[in-house]
Amino acid sequence: DAGVIQSPRHEVTEMGQEVTLRCKPISGHDYLFWYRQTMMRGLELLIYFNNNVPIDDSGMPEDRFSAKMPNASFSTLKIQPSEPRDSAVYFCASRYRQSGELFFGEGSRLTVL
Amino acid sequence: AQRVTQPEKLLSVFKGAPVELKCNYSYSGSPELFWYVQYSRQRLQLLLRHISRESIKGFTADLNKGETSFHLKKPFAQEEDSAMYYCALTPLLFISGANSKLTFGKGITLSVRP
Repeated sequence: DAGVIQSPRHEVTEMGQEVTLRCKPISGHDYLFWYRQTMMRGLELLIYFNNNVPIDDSGMPEDRFSAKMPNASFSTLKIQPSEPRDSAVYFCASRYRQSGELFFGEGSRLTVL
Repeated sequence: AQRVTQPEKLLSVFKGAPVELKCNYSYSGSPELFWYVQYSRQRLQLLLRHISRESIKGFTADLNKGETSFHLKKPFAQEEDSAMYYCALTPLLFISGANSKLTFGKGITLSVRP
């Protein structure tokens, strides 16, 4: 398995534009997590899914952020409209069952100008 | 609520010196604790977890419930240990049920100089 795959690896956009980040979890993993990494706040959990169902989205900053998981092999994190303060590295991670090692993707570095 | 505190942002030591990366947690139930590491230009990966009680790359960490700490230690640092280290907590699920949230601290950068 190639591990968790994220795209794009880098995204530079202008304020107000829509941004869509994509994630393919490891096959067979039933939990998927989205994290945001910044210097100031470290790794913040945005949302996580179990069997494609969102379980906890309390970390999503505001209504501009939305996440979906239409099937077991694909998830998106969308920001609309984007703002400069959204600039960060966004990580997707997956896990098998409730407890166990979390496998991370390489991250998507977002810069909003 | 669950919380992980890593009080320091940066630790710089010379090769061969001992290392201790501090981690304190807050959680009302029984926690499972982890250390994750991110080497330069690599993805985050699990270093060790308290349940397995093993030593990885010379690192150990003991869960101290009285002090609510899970400090990461290595007696002799190597240059290749330079990386970002994150402490993380999740409820020990076979006790607590559905909550699967993994909460991270803010991380600490370890720099090992030659």
